Amino acid sequence: NAGVTQTPKFQVLKTGQSMTLQCAQDMNHEYMSWYRQDPGMGLRLIHYSVGAGITDQGEVPNGYNVSRSTTEDFPLRLLSAAPSQTSVYFCASRQTNYGYTFGSGTRLTVV
Amino acid sequence: AQSVAQPEDQVNVAEGNPLTVKCTYSVSGNPYLFWYVQYPNRGLQFLLKYITGDNLVKGSYGFEAEFNKSQTSFHLKKPSALVSDSALYFCAVRPISSGSARQLTFGSGTQLTVLP
Repeated sequence: NAGVTQTPKFQVLKTGQSMTLQCAQDMNHEYMSWYRQDPGMGLRLIHYSVGAGITDQGEVPNGYNVSRSTTEDFPLRLLSAAPSQTSVYFCASRQTNYGYTFGSGTRLTVV
Repeated sequence: AQSVAQPEDQVNVAEGNPLTVKCTYSVSGNPYLFWYVQYPNRGLQFLLKYITGDNLVKGSYGFEAEFNKSQTSFHLKKPSALVSDSALYFCAVRPISSGSARQLTFGSGTQLTVLP
């Protein structure tokens, strides 16, 4: 089925470890974004991309890196995990004037 | 900077009664407005959007929303609530204007509980 695929669904990291959250979409969407969801705070934008090779920071970019080498993939890298990065992470993609399609999320716990 | 306010963390309504989930926004210029729903342990699902035209927008599962420019509001409504409507609802805004600031800004969410 077409859509946004995120892996893994669950992850536990130790403080200081690094990891990459994967996101892939097969809808040829230009725009892709990463959000984190925390209780009572809604979704906050981490990084986004308006096309292959183009990325920019969102509201809460510190501690995260992204790259967009292809239209399909938009991985999110945690450089040195901290307990404050415990959250649920959502990747989303959209075409020009439409709403986002969201992945099913990655639940990350940093201990 | 754009922002969205959902003033109610929790809304309870009896099954069969009408429901309203409130949303107000702030954005430079004209907005694109969206409602998403999130069921437990799931991603967000698109419900409806306002781009332009008729202020009353109809969406999935019998939901509708009314765009009110003067009050900068985009309240979500349904004439008759179902227990299965119980979920977390998010309002989101994006400015129509071109440029890099075209990402969605979300409200903090409203937990809707429909009581049988």
